Amino acid sequence: GENVEQHPSTLSVQEGDSAVIKCTYSDSASNYFPWYKQELGKGPQLIIDIRSNVGEKKDQRIAVTLNKTAKHFSLHITETQPEDSAVYFCAAHLSNTGNQFYFGTGTSLTVIP
Amino acid sequence: KAGVTQTPRYLIKTRGQQVTLSCSPISGHRSVSWYQQTPGQGLQFLFEYFSETQRNKGNFPGRFSGRQFSNSRSEMNVSTLELGDSALYLCASSLVGEGVTEAFFGQGTRLTVV
Repeated sequence: GENVEQHPSTLSVQEGDSAVIKCTYSDSASNYFPWYKQELGKGPQLIIDIRSNVGEKKDQRIAVTLNKTAKHFSLHITETQPEDSAVYFCAAHLSNTGNQFYFGTGTSLTVIP
Repeated sequence: KAGVTQTPRYLIKTRGQQVTLSCSPISGHRSVSWYQQTPGQGLQFLFEYFSETQRNKGNFPGRFSGRQFSNSRSEMNVSTLELGDSALYLCASSLVGEGVTEAFFGQGTRLTVV
C-alpha cells in the first residue's frame, strides 16, 4: 500500500503570516493528492487537490505544490486568518484502488489574532 | 445541493453489541467509502462500495461489514463491539468517472463503546 507522512503535527502562526504543511508519499503510482480541513465536530472538508500531471495549483489564498521526483507535496496558506485554524490532512490516491485514500496524520494549525 | 448525510450523529453502545451506521451520498454520486478516525491511528480506510458491490477493503477484521443499496445509500455494521471500536466513523461520497474523483465527507457518526 501507500504510506503518507505529514509534518509538522502542530503549527502556530500569527494572523497574516503564511503557513506551510508538507507531506511525503512512498508509492510513485499515486496520482491524486487532496487536502482536507477538519474543524472541531465536523467531517473533513476538501479544500484543494492536485493531480500527478500538474506541478502547482492555486485557489485564492491556498496553493498546493507537487514534486513527483521527490514524492512530496505541500499546502501553502497565505495571509492566514483566525478562521483558518483547524486540523489539515493530506492524502494520496494510489492508482487502480477505486476511491481509496491514504491519509497523513494531520496538522493542527492555530492562527493567533 | 445536499451534502453527505450520516445518521445517527452520536451513538453509545455496550461491549458485545452490534451497531449499524447509515450514509446517504450526494445525489448522483455512486461511490461510498467508509473511514474510521481515531486520535491514535488517524483516518483509516474501511471499505468502498460502488454499484452495490464492495470494490475495495481495508485492513479491518470481519466484524466490520457494509452494504450499498440501489439508491447508493450505504450502511456499515460492526458486530461484537469492542472498546477499541470507539471512533468517529466517516463516510465519503464520490462521483465515479474516469480515474479517481473528489471525495466529499459527511460529518461522521461518533461511536462510543462502554
